[in-house]
Amino acid sequence: GQSLEQPSEVTAVEGAIVQINCTYQTSGFYGLSWYQQHDGGAPTFLSYNALDGLEETGRFSSFLSRSDSYGYLLLQELQMKDSASYFCAVRDQGTGFQKLVFGTGTRLLVSP
Amino acid sequence: NAGVTQTPKFRILKIGQSMTLQCTQDMNHNYMYWYRQDPGMGLKLIYYSVGAGITDKGEVPNGYNVSRSTTEDFPLRLELAAPSQTSVYFCASTTSGRAGETQYFGPGTRLLVL
Repeated sequence: GQSLEQPSEVTAVEGAIVQINCTYQTSGFYGLSWYQQHDGGAPTFLSYNALDGLEETGRFSSFLSRSDSYGYLLLQELQMKDSASYFCAVRDQGTGFQKLVFGTGTRLLVSP
Repeated sequence: NAGVTQTPKFRILKIGQSMTLQCTQDMNHNYMYWYRQDPGMGLKLIYYSVGAGITDKGEVPNGYNVSRSTTEDFPLRLELAAPSQTSVYFCASTTSGRAGETQYFGPGTRLLVL
């Protein structure tokens, strides 16, 4: 089966940079996605990596190393509104290309 | 576009009662999903559908049923509610080309079974 590991909680201050790691074990990896979820809200898509390297979207970047079964989400110039839970999710042959398996999430707390 | 809509927003059920959670999307997406999220946890897939008339089980299907008679609607049925089904339920949809990448989620239904 698939398993994903993320830290349960990360804290940082406004303006700082924070990295949220995700390691995974899958059978036939296709890609790694990241989702953001504010308390009481729905998950929203942030980024997707299918190939090794860094994908940048504004203040957020996502990195993937397929050989290390590892990825991370990098948040720069942190703002209070970035306080949320962040989930990594994998797409692999084990579950089928049309499905995602989610990690348990990392709660990010941004303080002034 | 309204995107993915879910009703009701919140519901309290007694043990043994039944209910249907509604999900509708107006983006003409052929892939739709039902997830449950327990407090402090990730999302677990209950059922999914790759098109009208086609559904399949996910990771945690026991106690639930689905149907997909149209592209737009994907209702989730709880037949005999149990306290273990207390959770937040999210419906999601996507296009076939990006099914494993980008999913669009509804606002969720919070269900409490007492």
